[in-house]
Amino acid sequence: DVKVTQSSRYLVKRTGEKVFLECVQDMDHENMFWYRQDPGLGLRLIYFSYDVKMKEKGDIPEGYSVSREKKERFSLILESASTNQTSMYLCASSFTTTYPGNQPQHFGDGTRLSIL
Amino acid sequence: QQPVQSPQAVILREGEDAVINCSSSKALYSVHWYRQKHGEAPVFLMILLKGGEQKGHDKISASFNEKKQQSSLYLTASQLSYSGTYFCGTETSGSRLTFGEGTQLTVNP
Repeated sequence: DVKVTQSSRYLVKRTGEKVFLECVQDMDHENMFWYRQDPGLGLRLIYFSYDVKMKEKGDIPEGYSVSREKKERFSLILESASTNQTSMYLCASSFTTTYPGNQPQHFGDGTRLSIL
Repeated sequence: QQPVQSPQAVILREGEDAVINCSSSKALYSVHWYRQKHGEAPVFLMILLKGGEQKGHDKISASFNEKKQQSSLYLTASQLSYSGTYFCGTETSGSRLTFGEGTQLTVNP
């Protein structure tokens, strides 16, 4: 079974802090994704990565950055946390294939982040 | 742009059927369906590839109308375990998905 592990289930930080959310997958997936989930808004893509040291902006990248130094690890960084970044953050991973669209994404359990 | 899911919420009694729709304004390579139970990670259900196919798994099936950029998820003879929030994810390029807002399904005894 694919395992996507997020470092914390719950995290409380203060406004202005630099926050790191870590995600590790154990299936040698090329693709990794960070989403935030808010009530009524579904899952919104923040950043994704197709390979080590590669990153692409998603739909809501403002206020965030990412790092992928190793294939199995994808980090989300809140440069200066603000209260509007209080949310559930989900990491996911998937294989890349030459044919688009036939690989499911596997999700971690999420990190509920509160910024005070 | 996010796909539009309907309905936003549905309440069923055990054994009843339900349909959840997902509609996009863009041409799609595929549509993914996921279910998320409260406090848990979203779990993959199935992928529909362009070509208008229909797939099924147990009593949950789905169709994909490529021309209309629409997909529907069919839940037949619903069970209590079907409760959760259902998300469609649409793929327009690469491996990236855009998810809908979700449909909350509640199945009561």
